[in-house]
Amino acid sequence: EMQLLESGGGLVQPGGSLRLSCAASGSTFSSYAMAWVRQAPGKGLEWVSGIRAGGGSTYYADSVKGRFTISRDNSKDTLYLQMSSLRAEDTAVYYCAQGDAIFDIWGQGTVVTVSS
Amino acid sequence: SSELTQDPAVSVALGQTVTITCQGDSLRSYFPSWYQQKPGQAPVLVIFGGNNRPAGIPDRFSDSNSGDTASLTITGAQAEDEAVYYCNSRDSTYYHVVFGGGTKLTVL
Repeated sequence: EMQLLESGGGLVQPGGSLRLSCAASGSTFSSYAMAWVRQAPGKGLEWVSGIRAGGGSTYYADSVKGRFTISRDNSKDTLYLQMSSLRAEDTAVYYCAQGDAIFDIWGQGTVVTVSS
Repeated sequence: SSELTQDPAVSVALGQTVTITCQGDSLRSYFPSWYQQKPGQAPVLVIFGGNNRPAGIPDRFSDSNSGDTASLTITGAQAEDEAVYYCNSRDSTYYHVVFGGGTKLTVL
């Protein structure tokens, strides 16, 4: 079974950028679609972005389209989320998850705080 | 994009049966998945693809679907089932995903 470990979260000023990483182990990372899902403090889950197994197709929620870029390096078993033009409303725990709509494996999350 | 609607909170007496509902147009086309999230933890998949349970999920969890409404049923709720439950599905575009707002289950 795959294990996922996110990193890269932190405090960033509005308008700034941050890159999240999600390292996979224990299974064939390159066989699976992957996604980022976030959860603002005290709020519900929000799908952010998804990427197909080969990396050729990517999808974004309207709330992040044009600001966030999802990518993967199958040679490094790692998923990325490049976030730019960050806003206060992007403050959340960011989870990476295995799957494209059914998310059967989740990481423990990394916290992103956008504040001046 | 589509939306999925859940009741904010539901309660159940220990050992009794409870149903959590999820409503949205996308459910007419796509099976929902259900996730359990306890405080401070990542979500856990409990039901997917039309009443399928991942390994390790107790068989007291089941779901059903009718039209635009899906229902997660816990038969004989246990104290450890107290959590927030989320549904999700593909939205009308197929390639995007939508989550319900979550239902906080209290086991009395």
